[in-house]
Amino acid sequence: NAGVTQTPKFRVLKTGQSMTLLCAQDMNHEYMYWYRQDPGMGLRLIHYSVGEGTTAKGEVPDGYNVSRLKKQNFLLGLESAAPSQTSVYFCASGLTGEVSPQHFGDGTRLSIL
Amino acid sequence: GQNIDQPTEMTATEGAIVQINCTYQTSGFNGLFWYQQHAGEAPTFLSYNVLDGLEEKGRFSSFLSRSKGYSYLLLKELQMKDSASYLCAVMDSNYQLIWGAGTKLIIKP
Repeated sequence: NAGVTQTPKFRVLKTGQSMTLLCAQDMNHEYMYWYRQDPGMGLRLIHYSVGEGTTAKGEVPDGYNVSRLKKQNFLLGLESAAPSQTSVYFCASGLTGEVSPQHFGDGTRLSIL
Repeated sequence: GQNIDQPTEMTATEGAIVQINCTYQTSGFNGLFWYQQHAGEAPTFLSYNVLDGLEEKGRFSSFLSRSKGYSYLLLKELQMKDSASYLCAVMDSNYQLIWGAGTKLIIKP
């Protein structure tokens, strides 16, 4: 059982480049989340989805877009990367949006030069 | 604003007991979670409290006092593999998790 899988694991981009981070889960979870984790700070929610075809903004959505075309996949896009987006990005999924724990992928380490 | 506070770093000895505290101020409360995160890895779920009191799971226990906005994670019989960061997160009124910055626990032999 793979759980939550993120690709790629590492990436270096130049300022202004675009890319898409992929997240796939095989647990049939309705809810999916994208977080960023920066040193000295808690995880911050970028965008989330409560089901196939739906997305919503989290705490820090600017500069990112997302899509949830299939229930098992949640994509995070950076249209024009900026150095401030250098971070570790985690995808998570949850059975519901309430009391169920979130399950995390291994993260994508992204550096913007 | 919403705020989760936990100590940045703690040190303990193998075989001992350690208590990691978490205080919170959030818009609403729908439960408190503790996660463990080893360096360079994903957070993994440890425990969940929604009612006041102590929840025990093997060597790990978590306590909640909603009136005080306070929780702690208690780790007993510490092992070297317990060296990790411990993240406290509160589910707010919108059912979104608000995360603390984490407590890095260093276990010494």
